[in-house]
Amino acid sequence: VTLLEQNPRWRLVPRGQAVNLRCILKNSQYPWMSWYQQDLQKQLQWLFTLRSPGDKEVKSLPGADYLATRVTDTELRLQVANMSQGRTLYCTSGTGDNYAEQFFGPGTRLTVL
Amino acid sequence: GDSVTQTEGQVTVSESKSLIINCTYSATSIGYPNLFWYVRYPGEGLQLLLKVITAGQKGSSRGFEATYNKEATSFHLQKASVQESDSAVYYCALSDRGTNAYKVIFGKGTHLHVLP
Repeated sequence: VTLLEQNPRWRLVPRGQAVNLRCILKNSQYPWMSWYQQDLQKQLQWLFTLRSPGDKEVKSLPGADYLATRVTDTELRLQVANMSQGRTLYCTSGTGDNYAEQFFGPGTRLTVL
Repeated sequence: GDSVTQTEGQVTVSESKSLIINCTYSATSIGYPNLFWYVRYPGEGLQLLLKVITAGQKGSSRGFEATYNKEATSFHLQKASVQESDSAVYYCALSDRGTNAYKVIFGKGTHLHVLP
């Protein structure tokens, strides 16, 4: 069973402050690790997929700016900045046919102060 | 673009009754997507319930079934007799194939409440 550990599990974020999230892949290795966000309207949305250590990507969406980094084969990080609306961030790793099945981490819930 | 539309909001069903949660999809750029149902039980993380990657095939798990209907672009979730333990949020989803399969597009979720 693929396990993903995320920390922190929740965080109160003062407006204008950035927060750093971490995801660790336990007991298995798949090349694809991803971040998804779930907004207050409960819509789950893919953000990034990073394959190799050293890969980085940035993205700006309504309500937050993101910087994702693949640190190692088993560690993925996400910096969330300029957040104006709360959200939950999920780390995933893919397996199965054509990497068709995604395993989800427990999520990090961010609330704007 | 590509999207998923499912029965929105909360669905309330009495235990032992049948259930259908509707799901239709649009896959204009993907063409031939993988289809999924994911579920989040209370207090647990999101997990795969079932998947079908071939049109015309049926997937099943925990008494739930869904058939990949490419003509109708539908993937409805059905169960003949629900139990209280089925109370959860269900998400219909699709993805591309191959190395783009990690990018999953989700519906907004259906909260199933089963009355004892």
